[in-house]
Amino acid sequence: DAGITQSPRYKITETGRQVTLMCHQTWSHSYMFWYRQDLGHGLRLIYYSAAADITDKGEVPDGYVVSRSKTENFPLTLESATRSQTSVYFCASSGRTNEKLFFGSGTQLSVL
Amino acid sequence: GQQVMQIPQYQHVQEGEDFTTYCNSSTTLSNIQWYKQRPGGHPVFLIQLVKSGEVKKQKRLTFQFGEAKKNSSLHITATQTTDVGTYFCAGRPPNTNAGKSTFGDGTTLTVKP
Repeated sequence: DAGITQSPRYKITETGRQVTLMCHQTWSHSYMFWYRQDLGHGLRLIYYSAAADITDKGEVPDGYVVSRSKTENFPLTLESATRSQTSVYFCASSGRTNEKLFFGSGTQLSVL
Repeated sequence: GQQVMQIPQYQHVQEGEDFTTYCNSSTTLSNIQWYKQRPGGHPVFLIQLVKSGEVKKQKRLTFQFGEAKKNSSLHITATQTTDVGTYFCAGRPPNTNAGKSTFGDGTTLTVKP
C-alpha cells in the first residue's frame, strides 16, 4: 500500500559499513515492525515499536539498531554490516486495535 | 519459544485443482493471520481468525482455525494462475502484545495452466 514506503529499494554495501534502511508510514499507526526474509524462510522479526520512543527486540535483533523519534518513521541501522545480513528487509505497520499488518515494498540488501 | 510450522513447503498443481496449506503451532494461539506474497512482492494480509473452530470464506478461499487454537488451514478451490505465490500464516500466543506474532516459513504455490 502506498501508505508505507521503504527506501532504498536496493542497496549494495561492503562488510563493516554502516547502513540505514528507512521506513515511513502515513496512517499514524501505533505499531511498526522490521522483518527480514531469507530464501526459503518466512519472515523473522528483528525489532518492533509500539509507539514513538518505545521499541523492543524481536527474534533476531543482533547487529541491528532501531529508533522511533516520530510515529511515522522507523529507521533500521546495521551498525557494521556482515554478509549474513544479506537479505530482503520488510517494514510493516499496524493499528493499535487492528493487528492487520501493512507491509512496505521491501529493501533488497546485499553485503559484499 | 513459540514455533509455527507450515506444510507443505511447496505445492505444484494443475489449474483447476484444489490446494490446501496447513499451519501448526507448538502453543495455543490468541489469533492467526494469513498473508499472501506474490513473486517479487510484499506480503498482503488476507484474513485474521480469532475464535476456536472459526471458518471464514473469501470467494474460493476457505480459512479454518482449529478447535484447540493450535492449528489452521487455508484451502483454495479450483486454483487459478492468479493464486500463484507464497502463503504465510502468523500466530500470536495469548497474553502477548501485537508485536509477538510468529510467521511460518510459508507454502509456495505454483499453478500450471
